[in-house]
Order: sequence, then structure tokens, then C-alpha cells
Amino acid sequence: NAGVMQNPRHLVRRRGQEARLRCSPMKGHSHVYWYRQLPEEGLKFMVYLQKENIIDESGMPKERFSAEFPKEGPSILRIQQVVRGDSAAYFCASSPAWNTEAFFGQGTRLTVV
Amino acid sequence: SQQGEEDPQALSIQEGENATMNCSYKTSINNLQWYRQNSGRGLVHLILIRSNEREKHSGRLRVTLDTSKKSSSLLITASRAADTASYFCATVSNGNTGKLIFGQGTTLQVKP
Repeated sequence: NAGVMQNPRHLVRRRGQEARLRCSPMKGHSHVYWYRQLPEEGLKFMVYLQKENIIDESGMPKERFSAEFPKEGPSILRIQQVVRGDSAAYFCASSPAWNTEAFFGQGTRLTVV
Repeated sequence: SQQGEEDPQALSIQEGENATMNCSYKTSINNLQWYRQNSGRGLVHLILIRSNEREKHSGRLRVTLDTSKKSSSLLITASRAADTASYFCATVSNGNTGKLIFGQGTTLQVKP
């Protein structure tokens, strides 16, 4: 059973471009979480999704950011018109249920130049 | 807003010593979890303790939970240099959407 897969591992975008981060959860997991981490800091919650539904997006900026978890395929975190302040590591985690342990991917390091 | 607050922020000990990290939280929880992160890598789940449990063990790890004080502690016994990492507590609150909220973490350095 492969772990949580995130790609790409590293992503460089110019200001104003779009960034698309992908997360394939572990097999059988229907819950996905996205977090953002700045160097030397903790993980900041962004969004919590179940298949085809956004459960909680209270941590996600209202503009430029969106997330989806379609019936088929990976979860996508999309950042439109990126700015330098979006540079960070973005981690995805999956779990089989809402109150169990979460399994993390290795993250996508986004650099906006 | 962050739910868990870890204490201390940084801890440096010698190999063989025990390391204790604390976590305080604000709201009623369904469960509390501890994770480990090696520099720049993904997080690894260590232990999950539910609100009706008081103590759990896993190898050299011992986690306690005091719901009356809204606090938890992680004890690593007989530490090794390989235990050097950041440790985070995370909570799932009752009456919430089920999201998992992390604290700021404790950075542990174990000197050989």
C-alpha cells in the first residue's frame, strides 16, 4: 500500500502564474487535509475534504486559493496568481475516517520568484 | 487559530536522557495525536490518545492526557541521536468538523 503521494516535490512559479499541487491519498482513504508550513514554523490548517465535498475550508484564503477532491483522481490544491508570500511547503495528509491518525505526504515546496 | 501549544519550544539533551514535551489545548477534544517531523520532511504519526484515555505507550514513547487541565505530555525515554526532530501535537475537537489542528511544535536535539 503506497503512502500518500504528493507531486511535484518542488515547484517554481513566477509571480502571477498558477500553481497546482496534487495529492494522492492512501488506498481506501476518503479524507484529505491540506496544510501550509513556513520554515521553522508549525503546520497551518488550510482545508479538509472528503470525496467530492469540502468539509472545512476555514484556513484557506478567500481569494486565489481553491481545493478539490474529485470522485476519481487526486486532490488538487490550486493557487492562482501566485505572490512571493505563497512560497512555503504544502503538505497533504489522508485518513480513513475523521477521528483517526493521518498519514502525510512528503510535501510540495513552492517557490515563487 | 492554533489549538495546541507545545512547551518547551526547544529542548536539547544528551543521548540516554529522557525528553518530556507538553501540549496544552483550548477546547473539548475527541482525540489528541503526536507527530514527528524530521527536517523538511513529511510528518510521521506517533500516538493517538482518545479523550477517555489517560495514558498510552508505544516502545520508548509514553503519552499522557489530562482532560481536566486540557494538557498532554509526550515522554521519550532513553533518547537517541536519531530522535532529533520536531514534535507536534494535534487535536480533533468535539463539535467541530473533524479537522486536525496542529500546535507550533517542540524542536528536540539529542546530542551523541
